[in-house]
Amino acid sequence: GNSVTQMEGPVTLSEEAFLTINCTYTATGYPSLFWYVQYPGEGLQLLLKATKADDKGSNKGFEATYRKETTSFHLEKGSVQVSDSAVYFCALDNYGQNFVFGPGTRLSVLP
Amino acid sequence: DSGVTQTPKHLITATGQRVTLRCSPRSGDLSVYWYQQSLDQGLQFLIQYYNGEERAKGNILERFSAQQFPDLHSELNLSSLELGDSALYFCASSKGAGASGLGSFFGPGTRLTVL
Repeated sequence: GNSVTQMEGPVTLSEEAFLTINCTYTATGYPSLFWYVQYPGEGLQLLLKATKADDKGSNKGFEATYRKETTSFHLEKGSVQVSDSAVYFCALDNYGQNFVFGPGTRLSVLP
Repeated sequence: DSGVTQTPKHLITATGQRVTLRCSPRSGDLSVYWYQQSLDQGLQFLIQYYNGEERAKGNILERFSAQQFPDLHSELNLSSLELGDSALYFCASSKGAGASGLGSFFGPGTRLTVL
């Protein structure tokens, strides 16, 4: 079946540090891949997405590249801010029929 | 503000009861998605409606049902509630029906507590 695995958190970084949150997936076919962010007390927000292999999604300084060969979609940001503290979810959508989320990775950025 | 509204914000009820959660999508969005977020199960997709018709089904229990009305708002009905149904229920909406982003815009959620 389809599944998403994320690195376990919490991840704690200092402001301006480089961020990587690993995400790998298992799916049949060619799913679309997403990163969502959930700030404390709020709903999810779509951060970025990629719909085919080698696509790079980017938004607000975050980026992730759809790697079919390694079935990965790692989230990166060059310089994190305190305001980036949140829970990040990797997710896949397999032809609109099977939506699967990873367990989430909590990021804390310290000033 | 995502433009997706959900009511009520909080709901406290007892086991065995039935509740209805309501969602209004963003203006112009035809798809509504329902999700459950709990500590033990994580975030799970429940069901999607597109323009009034059921489009995709996830891990939705038989005790749960949903519908989307002609004005495109949606309701999620949870019956014979159990303690394990306590969770945050999110609604999301998007314009398209297919792989359009799992619902790109999420509402603030309804926190259900079953005592």
